[in-house]
Amino acid sequence: GDSVTQMEGPVTLSEEAFLTINCTYTATGYPSLFWYVQYPGEGLQLLLKATKADDKGSNKGFEATYRKETTSFHLEKGSVQVSDSAVYFCALFNTNAGKSTFGDGTTLTVKP
Amino acid sequence: EAGVAQSPRYKIIEKRQSVAFWCNPISGHATLYWYQQILGQGPKLLIQFQNNGVVDDSQLPKDRFSAERLKGVDSTLKIQPAKLEDSAVYLCASSPSPGGTEAFFGQGTRLTVV
Repeated sequence: GDSVTQMEGPVTLSEEAFLTINCTYTATGYPSLFWYVQYPGEGLQLLLKATKADDKGSNKGFEATYRKETTSFHLEKGSVQVSDSAVYFCALFNTNAGKSTFGDGTTLTVKP
Repeated sequence: EAGVAQSPRYKIIEKRQSVAFWCNPISGHATLYWYQQILGQGPKLLIQFQNNGVVDDSQLPKDRFSAERLKGVDSTLKIQPAKLEDSAVYLCASSPSPGGTEAFFGQGTRLTVV
């Protein structure tokens, strides 16, 4: 079946540091790929998405590129802020099966 | 466009009690999902409906969990009796079908079993 593997956390960075959270996937067909963010006490929020190979999703300074050859969708941000502290989930949507599969999440803490 | 609506947002019950959650998907979306998100983990699929029929309920603990989708629109998820390990966020999502490229998630219901 489908699976998503995320870099284990927690990740602790200083403000303005560069962020990378690795994500790789296994799926049949051509899934859509997503990053969701969950702030403390809140629900899942869609951060960015890419629906086909080589697409780049971007939002709020975060970026991720759909790499079919390496089955990866790594999340990056050039300069993190304290307000970026949250749990980040990588996920795929299998368009054939119509199902979402999530990674286990990576906790990011940004210190001033 | 209105999003996926869920209620209640929070619920605290004692073990062995019963509880029900409600979900109203995005209008016109044929596929509806219920996910369970335990603290520290990613969401896990419990059940998937296509219109009012069940597509996949292989991960639903059927001895205590039940779900229905009335007239292919709203859905309820019930737990009876609840156990401590059922404490989690229960997420509802919907997607257009066929041809959808993503599922749209509600805010979730946070259940605490004490």
